[in-house]
Amino acid sequence: DAKTTQPTSMDCAEGRAANLPCNHSTISGNEYVYWYRQIHSQGPQYIIHGLKNNETNEMASLIITEDRKSSTLILPHATLRDTAVYYCIVRVADSGYSTLTFGKGTMLLVSP
Amino acid sequence: DVKVTQSSRYLVKRTGEKVFLECVQDMDHENMFWYRQDPGLGLRLIYFSYDVKMKEKGDIPEGYSVSREKKERFSLILESASTNQTSMYLCASSLPSYNEQFFGPGTRLTVL
Repeated sequence: DAKTTQPTSMDCAEGRAANLPCNHSTISGNEYVYWYRQIHSQGPQYIIHGLKNNETNEMASLIITEDRKSSTLILPHATLRDTAVYYCIVRVADSGYSTLTFGKGTMLLVSP
Repeated sequence: DVKVTQSSRYLVKRTGEKVFLECVQDMDHENMFWYRQDPGLGLRLIYFSYDVKMKEKGDIPEGYSVSREKKERFSLILESASTNQTSMYLCASSLPSYNEQFFGPGTRLTVL
């Protein structure tokens, strides 16, 4: 699986957009980009994933560059409850069993 | 909603004890996973299972074994607990063709 690089920490003001970057310069053509987050004292939670098109759901938007070497997770209106560690993961989506390799992630702190 | 439950939130055991961590999921998922999470190291995969009675080693299986006798239940066993197994243990489940993993709340194990 391709390795990802994320900033260790980021700050965001409540109500503003949080833009979390991820570099995955060695990503292969059949690898998806996944984002999970982990709120303190809870298990990780799936947010969104994509292959090459931009994706949006009720939680966030995922913007993947045309060369697919980097992506950005956007939380459009961050709240205090979005304070968490955010993990960017690249993984082949196959039809069999699947595993995820979590890196160290980005600690996002949303402040009032 | 998918629910993954773990038998205990907090557990304290002594060195040399046999420890059982239980995980149950209620969504008929084929895949189940055990991770441990340590500060500075992120989540690391211990074992996973893609079917009843099937198991595969993850990245750090040493000192652990698993059991999957029923589809909904995946047990992690520490045959002889050691202090370096003090950690947060997270269980997850997923469908085979879909990479979203659903995590339980975690068990914080302390081995004295």
